[in-house]
Amino acid sequence: QSALTQPPSASGSPGQSVTISCTGASSDVGAENFVSWYQQHPGKDPKLLIYEVNKRPSGVPDRFSGSKSGNTASLTVSGLQAEDEADYYCSSYAGRTNHLVFGGGTRLTVL
Amino acid sequence: EVQLVESGGGLVQPGGSLRLSCAASGATFGNYWMHWVRQTPGEGLVWVSVINIDGSVTTYADSVNGRFTISRDNAKNTLYLQMDGLRAEDTAVYYCTRNKYYYGMDVWGRGTTVTVSS
Repeated sequence: QSALTQPPSASGSPGQSVTISCTGASSDVGAENFVSWYQQHPGKDPKLLIYEVNKRPSGVPDRFSGSKSGNTASLTVSGLQAEDEADYYCSSYAGRTNHLVFGGGTRLTVL
Repeated sequence: EVQLVESGGGLVQPGGSLRLSCAASGATFGNYWMHWVRQTPGEGLVWVSVINIDGSVTTYADSVNGRFTISRDNAKNTLYLQMDGLRAEDTAVYYCTRNKYYYGMDVWGRGTTVTVSS
């Protein structure tokens, strides 16, 4: 199972919006609506931001939103704040193999 | 509050074995599927394995299939990962995670470090 493709880096100024893409295949991202997004600050464990493409767990600000089109999922962070500077990972369930595949991660820098 | 605490990591020679444990507290452990995920220092997250509620269904990443075994003891609220035939490329921080949504992991442990080196 190949890893999902994410841009290695993204950036934006405080208050702006940034979108991070996550490209997979018809066997994973394109096949199911089971894409998740995680935020990881340096030295910390990952935190679930989005599940099932566009749902937020309780406690996650609505500045974080998810979407999907075809084999590509996206995470949008609106109203960027300094605390959003972190690594972001997407993941997708691959139904045929019952596997989970992660993206390589995107480092978000708040300028 | 749910907590997951991993243990059992350490330094092991290539070809050796380790058994990781993950102790769960604060919620009904037996109600959730559980995963192991690993992360090489400075690298990304890699899914390793998943187990269903009663342990009857297990799935593994291709890179560990046949060498690693995931299991659980719901009476002890503990998840395990038996790692045999360890290779240098298995060196990583291993996280225990709870599957609450469909393969969405809402609780993560702090991780335990496995180093495979001679």
